[in-house]
Amino acid sequence: DAGITQSPRHKVTETGTPVTLRCHQTENHRYMYWYRQDPGHGLRLIHYSYGVKDTDKGEVSDGYSVSRSKTEDFLLTLESATSSQTSVYFCAISESVEEQFFGPGTRLTVL
Amino acid sequence: GQQLNQSPQSMFIQEGEDVSMNCTSSSIFNTWLWYKQDPGEGPVLLIALYKAGELTSNGRLTAQFGITRKDSFLNISASIPSDVGIYFCAGHKGGNQFYFGTGTSLTVIP
Repeated sequence: DAGITQSPRHKVTETGTPVTLRCHQTENHRYMYWYRQDPGHGLRLIHYSYGVKDTDKGEVSDGYSVSRSKTEDFLLTLESATSSQTSVYFCAISESVEEQFFGPGTRLTVL
Repeated sequence: GQQLNQSPQSMFIQEGEDVSMNCTSSSIFNTWLWYKQDPGEGPVLLIALYKAGELTSNGRLTAQFGITRKDSFLNISASIPSDVGIYFCAGHKGGNQFYFGTGTSLTVIP
């Protein structure tokens, strides 16, 4: 299995608070991705990164920001969490654009 | 955003039976991936397909890249209880984005 960790694995927070999720990889892969997974929607791309300090938006990027200051870390920030952001968040990595490997996920609940 | 149409949505089968599921799109894809997800875990890559018509096996799993490049199929032979989970297809057609199906939930009855 690819070396990907996510932290925290579970988080409960209140509406309006900032939240940061961390993805850490030990594979030195170029590409990193953040997805959210919701019933009936499958996996939807929030943001992705194609190198240090190089990021771009996915299909559901509103309300989220990301940063990648090192190859191994990709942070996802919810500036002011809302209940609609309650979800399971997955980080994924890839070296080529032909395969992706997923982390274990973070379950976020916004009350 | 674009999603892939995956069917069936769920399956209930007896242990030992074979399983077939498929994924279709209105767009052409260059790569098809199949993942399995267990409860509380991230998706795990099972098989990757890179060429139209390609047939690839991984143990009891066999996947095919459709000739039209708009579909892919996954077969599981002689199912066992640990095959239980949700199976996702994913496609890539250029750029940096992958597109995902909504999953097939498989239940294997011992």
